[in-house]
This record gives sequence, C-alpha cells and structure tokens, in this order.
Amino acid sequence: RKEVEQDPGPFNVPEGATVAFNCTYSNSASQSFFWYRQDCRKEPKLLMSVYSSGNEDGRFTAQLNRASQYISLLIRDSKLSDSATYLCVVNGNTGFQKLVFGTGTRLLVSP
Amino acid sequence: DADVTQTPRNRITKTGKRIMLECSQTKGHDRMYWYRQDPGLGLQLIYYSFDVKDINKGEISDGYSVSRQAQAKFSLSLESAIPNQTALYFCATAAGTGNQETQYFGPGTRLLVL
Repeated sequence: RKEVEQDPGPFNVPEGATVAFNCTYSNSASQSFFWYRQDCRKEPKLLMSVYSSGNEDGRFTAQLNRASQYISLLIRDSKLSDSATYLCVVNGNTGFQKLVFGTGTRLLVSP
Repeated sequence: DADVTQTPRNRITKTGKRIMLECSQTKGHDRMYWYRQDPGLGLQLIYYSFDVKDINKGEISDGYSVSRQAQAKFSLSLESAIPNQTALYFCATAAGTGNQETQYFGPGTRLLVL
C-alpha cells in the first residue's frame, strides 16, 4: 500500500463548480498534512496546511479525519486558474519533516 | 528575483557522464532537500541537509551524491549518469519548526540521459 494515495483524475469541471478531492495516508503517526498545488512543468507550491479542526482559505477548505486517515480538499466556485495538479502531502514521522508526496490529482476547469 | 534557484533548468547528457545540478537560496533557511519527480510517481527524496555539516541520504540516494558548500548552496551530482535518472529534479528549502515546517521549491531541472 502506498503511504499516500490519491485519485489521479483528471477531474473535469465547469467554471463555478464545486469539486472535492480525497487523499488517504497509511502512517497513523503522521502529524502534519498539506495540500500543494503544481502547475504543469512547474514546482509544487504550498496551497494550505491541514489542521485537525479543518481550515478554510477563501474558496478552499481542507479537512482532516484522523480516525479514517484521510484528508480532503474542497474547492468552491472553481476558476479556470484552478486547473492544476493537487498534491496531498503528509509528514512521515514526528520530528524530522520527511514529507511523503502523493502522486497528485489533476483538475481541469473548463469555460 | 526567485528565492530558490536551480541551474541548469534543462540538461541533456549521455550515459556515463558526470553532471552537477546546483541549487541556491536567498531565504536564509538551514534545511535543504533534493527530490526527483517521475511521471505517475510522487516526489521522491534523494538527499537532505539540515546545515552545512549535516547531510543525510533520502529514500533513493543510490547513484547520487551531494555537497553543501554553504548555507545557501546545495549541489546534486550524478557521478555516472544512466537513462533511468531521466527525471525532473527539484531542490527545496524549509522554514518553520517541527511539524509545521513549510518547504519552498526551486523551479526544477529537467534532465534527460541518453
């Protein structure tokens, strides 16, 4: 089983739609969770950290379910510029920040 | 100017050649990392360094070596390149402490080994 698993997509949605991605992780000792965004042929960039209580940043909402070991990302009112690959990232161990990256979920927002 | 830079951005080389990928940062971060990314795979950690005197192997270090010349510079070398080292390579730096460390990536180096 992969340490971090994501549906690769692509998710094809029209502008204005709401879309949700899920990610599961295998290491129950993981303490930190993130969503990164990666545009084609570009570097990953931090989109948001994911906190136990859930957190929101504008149109983006992240949730963590420790019991089921999954993380979700909800994007409301999708924009064309949201088209990218979204990487679920989990730290593998406490202390040292060894990040484990999912393979990413590709989102395509169309007019 | 970018905070994390990588050179070269693209490189084509032949099997058996030695090449070096360089990474520089102006963020003042102590922690630096080298990853590779292959299609359909997540980023894989090659080497990481917590400071100039502290260098550690990641999960796929075979065939690679690194040098931390200064706090701001972390180089990755392929001593004898082979085709399966064809990949997109990213350098990253990290800020923050403990579990809330955030990593910042350079623009990547696209390497093709023929």
